[in-house]
Amino acid sequence: DADVTQTPRNRITKTGKRIMLECSQTKGHDRMYWYRQDPGLGLRLIYYSFDVKDINKGEISDGYSVSRQAQAKFSLSLESAIPNQTALYFCATSDSVPTGNSYNEQFFGPGTRLTVL
Amino acid sequence: AQSVTQLDSQVPVFEEAPVELRCNYSSSVSVYLFWYVQYPNQGLQLLLKYLSGSTLVKSINGFEAEFNKSQTSFHLRKPSVHISDTAEYFCAVIEGGYQKVTFGTGTKLQVIP
Repeated sequence: DADVTQTPRNRITKTGKRIMLECSQTKGHDRMYWYRQDPGLGLRLIYYSFDVKDINKGEISDGYSVSRQAQAKFSLSLESAIPNQTALYFCATSDSVPTGNSYNEQFFGPGTRLTVL
Repeated sequence: AQSVTQLDSQVPVFEEAPVELRCNYSSSVSVYLFWYVQYPNQGLQLLLKYLSGSTLVKSINGFEAEFNKSQTSFHLRKPSVHISDTAEYFCAVIEGGYQKVTFGTGTKLQVIP
């Protein structure tokens, strides 16, 4: 089973609709992130959470909101979708424990391809 | 603030030829450096990383990168590429202690048979 899962994998919606993208992880990591990927722009950070009670805006948070329901779950919402939010969205996790071999490494989900018409 | 520059958006190279993907970063403090690879229709996965110690780091599939502090670079190299190396490669940086990653815009490596 995948360590980081995202649902749905693909979604087509209309302008103005509210959309929620969900992310779950079984890695036991405390830190979770949402990115969007656009051709030629790389990955840009939308929101990140260093623990359940900690939510922080990234560089492009306008038009998005998040909820950290549990250590393992981090959802991203588009309150009123618009066409320029069409993109590939990735959830990622990382481990804050400095002695872990994977410290500072980010583990990505498979992505959600969102199309807003 | 940290930033990452990958000047080459696409790099075509013939199979078995060497390749170098360039990455430069900007930061006023110590950094951790990473290369991630994204195969078609997949998420990103770590290729290699520099945290401390030896400035030359290697991956299990023949890639290597060297941290050059004076030139603020972390270029990725492979002496002989294979078709299966066709992917998009992202350089990333974390400023010491912040745990927030900044990614470059990516370089698409196209290996030509």
